[in-house]
Amino acid sequence: DVKVTQSSRYLVKRTGEKVFLECVQDMDHENMFWYRQDPGLGLRLIYFSYDVKMKEKGDIPEGYSVSREKKERFSLILESASTNQTSMYLCASRSHPAREGCTDTQYFGPGTRLTVL
Amino acid sequence: AQSVTQLGSHVSVSEGALVLLRCNYSSSVPPYLFWYVQYPNQGLQLLLKYTTGATLVKGINGFEAEFKKSETSFHLTKPSAHMSDAAEYFCAVTLTGGGNKLTFGTGTQLKVEL
Repeated sequence: DVKVTQSSRYLVKRTGEKVFLECVQDMDHENMFWYRQDPGLGLRLIYFSYDVKMKEKGDIPEGYSVSREKKERFSLILESASTNQTSMYLCASRSHPAREGCTDTQYFGPGTRLTVL
Repeated sequence: AQSVTQLGSHVSVSEGALVLLRCNYSSSVPPYLFWYVQYPNQGLQLLLKYTTGATLVKGINGFEAEFKKSETSFHLTKPSAHMSDAAEYFCAVTLTGGGNKLTFGTGTQLKVEL
């Protein structure tokens, strides 16, 4: 069974703290994604990674960075958390589009609800 | 570039009634289309998708959607709503061949009443 896990379901941090959100997938997927979800805005792509050590900015990368040192793990970093980064963060993974049998389906983790005070 | 519009941020139906959630897309090339469902405090789960072939797509939990190119639509339907269908539903589009970007609509919250 496909599995994407996120390190925390709920997280409370203070303004200015450095925050790490971790995501692990067990499907040997090349592509991994970080989204934030806000009411009325749907899901917006922050960053994605198409392979180890490779990353690309999404639609709203400002204030975030990412790290992909191993294929199964994709980390989202808030260098200096701010209150406007209070949100639900969702990680997803998908096999490479050119890979045989790829279905273009992204598989999501349960989400991390981050509150920045 | 691609985009998705979901009409109605909140939809309310009675148990046993037809569910219709609307999705229109914009895409410069043939799209792949998806519907995801999100139950409270959970991540997104794939309901169904259209890539190529038959335009009427059946998904899990009795849902189906029809790709209508002429109307640029991919509406989600279920003949008879159940209380357990109460959730938020997201339509999403990506370009043929997948690329890397999945663009989501803003979501429709479905409420099912007795």
